[in-house]
Amino acid sequence: NAGVTQTPKFRILKIGQSMTLQCTQDMNHNYMYWYRQDPGMGLKLIYYSVGAGITDKGEVPNGYNVSRSTTEDFPLRLELAAPSQTSVYFCASSSNGLEQYFGPGTRLTVT
Amino acid sequence: TQLLEQSPQFLSIQEGENLTVYCNSSSVFSSLQWYRQEPGEGPVLLVTVVTGGEVKKLKRLTFQFGDARKDSSLHITAAQPGDTGLYLCAGGPSGNQFYFGTGTSLTVIP
Repeated sequence: NAGVTQTPKFRILKIGQSMTLQCTQDMNHNYMYWYRQDPGMGLKLIYYSVGAGITDKGEVPNGYNVSRSTTEDFPLRLELAAPSQTSVYFCASSSNGLEQYFGPGTRLTVT
Repeated sequence: TQLLEQSPQFLSIQEGENLTVYCNSSSVFSSLQWYRQEPGEGPVLLVTVVTGGEVKKLKRLTFQFGDARKDSSLHITAAQPGDTGLYLCAGGPSGNQFYFGTGTSLTVIP
């Protein structure tokens, strides 16, 4: 049971670089989410998707983009990385928009 | 943004003690969830409560949803070292979004 997988686990970026965080789920869930977790700040929703071809902004979407071309994959794109994007990023999926299953996270540092 | 405040922020107790963690908001939620997160891992769902006044038990953990669906509590009986972790509450969905609290970091000392 793979569940939700995320790659890479760790990444260091220089200011202004770009990268894509990968997220794949094998549970055939329609709902997928991207969160960031900063120390003492809880989880903040960046983007979410209710199905292939459909995406929408969450609380903190600035500086990020997503796409959902298949049910399984929901990549998160960072353009022009900034130090404020240093965080731990979690992808999650759900069958019903209620119970969410999280991946192991990607720890990103922007210097 | 719908705020969920959790208290206490940090809790350190001896094995065998009981504890209660609180999650409060000024907003009404259709459901409230509790997750536990261990260092270096993603949150894992413990329970979802959907009815005001609802009480759910999961072994030594008891979850309660407030009558007005604005608050919730998590009570652990006879805490064990394996209960150590970050406990997060989340309210929603509101427009397909869930709002997470800032968490309670629990340490159970053997």
